[in-house]
Amino acid sequence: GEDVEQSLFLSVREGDSSVINCTYTDSSSTYLYWYKQEPGAGLQLLTYIFSNMDMKQDQRLTVLLNKKDKHLSLRIADTQTGDSAIYFCAESNYSNYQLIWGAGTKLIIKP
Amino acid sequence: DGGITQSPKYLFRKEGQNVTLSCEQNLNHDAMYWYRQDPGQGLRLIYYSQIVNDFQKGDIAEGYSVSREKKESFPLTVTSAQKNPTAFYLCASSIGQDSGNTIYFGEGSWLTVV
Repeated sequence: GEDVEQSLFLSVREGDSSVINCTYTDSSSTYLYWYKQEPGAGLQLLTYIFSNMDMKQDQRLTVLLNKKDKHLSLRIADTQTGDSAIYFCAESNYSNYQLIWGAGTKLIIKP
Repeated sequence: DGGITQSPKYLFRKEGQNVTLSCEQNLNHDAMYWYRQDPGQGLRLIYYSQIVNDFQKGDIAEGYSVSREKKESFPLTVTSAQKNPTAFYLCASSIGQDSGNTIYFGEGSWLTVV
């Protein structure tokens, strides 16, 4: 079946940029998502990108999509302590009603 | 405010009991979902419903049941047949059309077996 892979942990210093990576196997992916989960809370949609786009920027967030390599990344500029959370990558396509989820990357901020 | 409300936030279940988790949305979304999340792990789909009076099993439906009698409501019952129910349960909804199927989540419910 289709799969989405993420590293489990990323540690960065406060003020640096964080880059969270994700790879997927579904060649017919149409939408790719990034969600944020703070401890004990639900998932919050951060951003999503259509598969015909290479990049999407929203304030401190930059999403890069390399469709050829099936690689998605989320860059957080000027990382703050409030960015400490688990970040989930997910993908969907028109024929698959369900999202395929990665296991999540825990972002750890060092002072 | 529009959103998804899950209750209770914390629930304790004794061995052999059935418990029901509530999920209500006022987003006018057609589709609703239940996910299970175990500590340090990703999301696993339990059940989903694309429309009222219809629902489909997800990857881990055994030991769970749902109903969808109203568009706004999608309660999940954790039955005594679910042998390891301690987890964080997330309800979600989406418009359900070809709009990317963007999913929005409630705040989750913690279920612990005592």
